Amino acid sequence: RKEVEQDPGPFNVPEGATVAFNCTYSNSASQSFFWYRQDCRKEPKLLMSVYSSGNEDGRFTAQLNRASQYISLLIRDSKLSDSATYLCVVKDDMRFGAGTRLTVKP
Amino acid sequence: EAEVAQSPRYKITEKSQAVAFWCDPISGHATLYWYRQILGQGPELLVQFQDESVVDDSQLPKDRFSAERLKGVDSTLKIQPAELGDSAMYLCASSLAGRTDTQYFGPGTRLTVL
Repeated sequence: RKEVEQDPGPFNVPEGATVAFNCTYSNSASQSFFWYRQDCRKEPKLLMSVYSSGNEDGRFTAQLNRASQYISLLIRDSKLSDSATYLCVVKDDMRFGAGTRLTVKP
Repeated sequence: EAEVAQSPRYKITEKSQAVAFWCDPISGHATLYWYRQILGQGPELLVQFQDESVVDDSQLPKDRFSAERLKGVDSTLKIQPAELGDSAMYLCASSLAGRTDTQYFGPGTRLTVL
């Protein structure tokens, strides 16, 4: 089993849709996590941290489920500009998932 | 806004040749990271420096890869000899000391080995 696993997608959604991605991790001792966004042929950029109490930033909500060892990212009211690959990261050892590709269509 | 600088942006080389990549972190960032990202995968940490010292190089293929940060500022990653499987994006990132939540990536060097 990979240490950090994501559904590669692609997720193709219309503008305004709500979409959610999950990311599972294998190390139960992991304490903290991030979501990064990566545009095609660009570097990853930090989107948000994932706190045990959950974290919301505008249309984006990140949650952690320790019992089932996964984190999630929810995007509400999707915009065309949200099209990108979303990478989850286990902060403790900076292990990245392979990313989930999202395409938002008009 | 301060940025991580990397050069070259693109490099094409033949297998068995030597290649080197350079990274200049954001001023004041004591921690520097080198990652390799193969197409369709997430970045994989190769080496992490705290100032001039290596903190983690457990995933660095030491038979052919080397990294240095002699003065604790800029850094060089070298591959010798390059192999076909080394074709990837090589990303450098920096952060305040130990603060992975303030990690910023450079634009990367895209390496193609023929």
